[in-house]
Amino acid sequence: QSVLTQPPSVSGAPGQRVTISCTGSSSNIGAGYDVHWYQQLPGTAPKLLIYGNSNRPSGVPDRFSGSKSATSASLAITGLQAEDEADYYCQSYDSSLTHYVFGTGTKVTVL
Amino acid sequence: EVQLVESGGGLVQPGGSLRLSCAASGFTFSSYAMHWVRQAPGKGLEYVSAISSNGGSTYYANSVKGRFTISRDNSKNTLDLQMGSLRAEDMAVYYCARFLIRFGDVEGGFVDYWGQGTLVTVSS
Repeated sequence: QSVLTQPPSVSGAPGQRVTISCTGSSSNIGAGYDVHWYQQLPGTAPKLLIYGNSNRPSGVPDRFSGSKSATSASLAITGLQAEDEADYYCQSYDSSLTHYVFGTGTKVTVL
Repeated sequence: EVQLVESGGGLVQPGGSLRLSCAASGFTFSSYAMHWVRQAPGKGLEYVSAISSNGGSTYYANSVKGRFTISRDNSKNTLDLQMGSLRAEDMAVYYCARFLIRFGDVEGGFVDYWGQGTLVTVSS
């Protein structure tokens, strides 16, 4: 079981805003380590979506945004589109495990 | 263009061995740490193993320690994962991943490029 917990699923209608939480502890997010987010479209490899808590790589739409506070982080998708239907994973570093960890993953469904 | 192409996956019996390879191109391979990340069918992502840019430092998840060996050849731009004593729970898609460390912030590192993955099936 991962030390970073995400809701198994979230859903929203096209155009709506959805948020995905990534809850950690004082040994990872709460220790100040950066959080990164990945998007995995069905049947494909993951792709970097957000790095350094809130930065978007080139080519990622500004509909995607990230934030971090205390022991948790969030990914927000505004103006939800059908092509956003995918699995999303957060990732950070854990000082107790002394390595990087992924979140449990969240499936986003566009209604 | 950064490319990571895995090979070597396939069907292997429990207790058997398999060697995965990753051919890298489009960047200075010797400048980056590299990781193997796996994903069991219908499950999430799991870090399996990692190796520093010069190969001098390695990491293994507890679940594979003593059974898997990661290596790299910076002259050939290749990353390998030798897997032994394979178990049913090792069955997964294995991804080769380039790991980016910005401004020397090792703990803040992340995967910026992924390969397409290679499937390892462990079954008798």
